[in-house]
Amino acid sequence: DAGVIQSPRHEVTEMGQEVTLRCKPISGHNSLFWYRQTMMRGLELLIYFNNNVPIDDSGMPEDRFSAKMPNASFSTLKIQPSEPRDSAVYFCASSLAGGSADTQYFGPGTRLTVL
Amino acid sequence: DAKTTQPNSMESNEEEPVHLPCNHSTISGTDYIHWYRQLPSQGPEYVIHGLTSNVNNRMASLAIAEDRKSSTLILHRATLRDAAVYYCILRDSGGSNYKLTFGKGTLLTVNP
Repeated sequence: DAGVIQSPRHEVTEMGQEVTLRCKPISGHNSLFWYRQTMMRGLELLIYFNNNVPIDDSGMPEDRFSAKMPNASFSTLKIQPSEPRDSAVYFCASSLAGGSADTQYFGPGTRLTVL
Repeated sequence: DAKTTQPNSMESNEEEPVHLPCNHSTISGTDYIHWYRQLPSQGPEYVIHGLTSNVNNRMASLAIAEDRKSSTLILHRATLRDAAVYYCILRDSGGSNYKLTFGKGTLLTVNP
């Protein structure tokens, strides 16, 4: 099994540019999560999809952030326009069902630097 | 959300057992106790979880106190590869049971 796949692994962009992060969950999983990790705030959940439908987007920082899941095997997190404070590592995770005993499998992350 | 308290850091020697404590005095009866770890420059990785009884798997053991207000993750023989941040997380069985709320965790250093 390839695990959760994220691309790109590293992204360097300039303030004001659009950034798109991509995620391919583990085949058969119906729950997908986007997390962000910074030194100041640690790991925090941005958005949760179940069966391709956004269930909880309360962690999305502001309107500059948007996430989509057009099908069960692909999700994107878009930042437009990007700002230096968006610099962080963004992780995608997937799980089989999303319940309290369920295991989340994380991808390797995308390290985003906004200059 | 019920919170957990972990030491900021711990140190161990290679091939010795490591006991990583976690306090969760406000745990509710249906909260699961999960442990994840994050190796340097990697995403978090599931280690183990339990509800009431002690649990063992190939990676570690989880010892849960009888009153469930604390738990201990046990690595039976630490290796250099076990150096990571270990997170103790409570997951409720209510409407937000999908959430993993990460705290600061315990940074485990393993000395050769």
